[in-house]
Amino acid sequence: AQSVTQPDIHITVSEGASLELRCNYSYGATPYLFWYVQSPGQGLQLLLKYFSGDTLVQGIKGFEAEFKRSQSSFNLRKPSVHWSDAAEYFCAVAGPGANNLFFGTGTRLTVIP
Amino acid sequence: EPEVTQTPSHQVTQMGQEVILRCVPISNHLYFYWYRQILGQKVEFLVSFYNNEISEKSEIFDDQFSVERPDGSNFTLKIRSTKLEDSAMYFCASTLAANYGYTFGSGTRLTVV
Repeated sequence: AQSVTQPDIHITVSEGASLELRCNYSYGATPYLFWYVQSPGQGLQLLLKYFSGDTLVQGIKGFEAEFKRSQSSFNLRKPSVHWSDAAEYFCAVAGPGANNLFFGTGTRLTVIP
Repeated sequence: EPEVTQTPSHQVTQMGQEVILRCVPISNHLYFYWYRQILGQKVEFLVSFYNNEISEKSEIFDDQFSVERPDGSNFTLKIRSTKLEDSAMYFCASTLAANYGYTFGSGTRLTVV
């Protein structure tokens, strides 16, 4: 069965510092992987997705993520965090042909000046 | 950029009452979904809908829930007799295909009192 683990519930970084949010998945084959961001009271906005090909994917707002099959990971990174990046970040997985997404529990990012 | 639109943004209802949550998916999308997020918890899959029928549903989606696409543009979630534990944020999503990415609406916050 598919599952997603986001081991960090809450992360605090200083503005301008680099960021890495961890995501580990469980799936029998190559999954489809996604990162979504949710600002307070808002919906889920897609940051980036991985289906196949280049394992380093670029997304919106300067985010990138790297798929590492050997580690079953899809960590999200940003070289320099902005105060507006403060939000909840969700990793999600779907199997090819699968009909729904499985979400992790989310990581809340706080950015301090 | 096309959006998934959900109405209302917030609904308060009394326990035992019926509620209908409304969604307008992106017009050329073929797959439609409802997810929910209980406060502080992960986003959970409820149901997927394709070709005018339910294609998959979770254990959460019991007999008190139903979905409908009444007119080719709207996609509704009905909760027949609401319970306190139905209080959550409900997200609608649509996609053209599984590897196309899922677009989520901004959600309806349902409060059952």
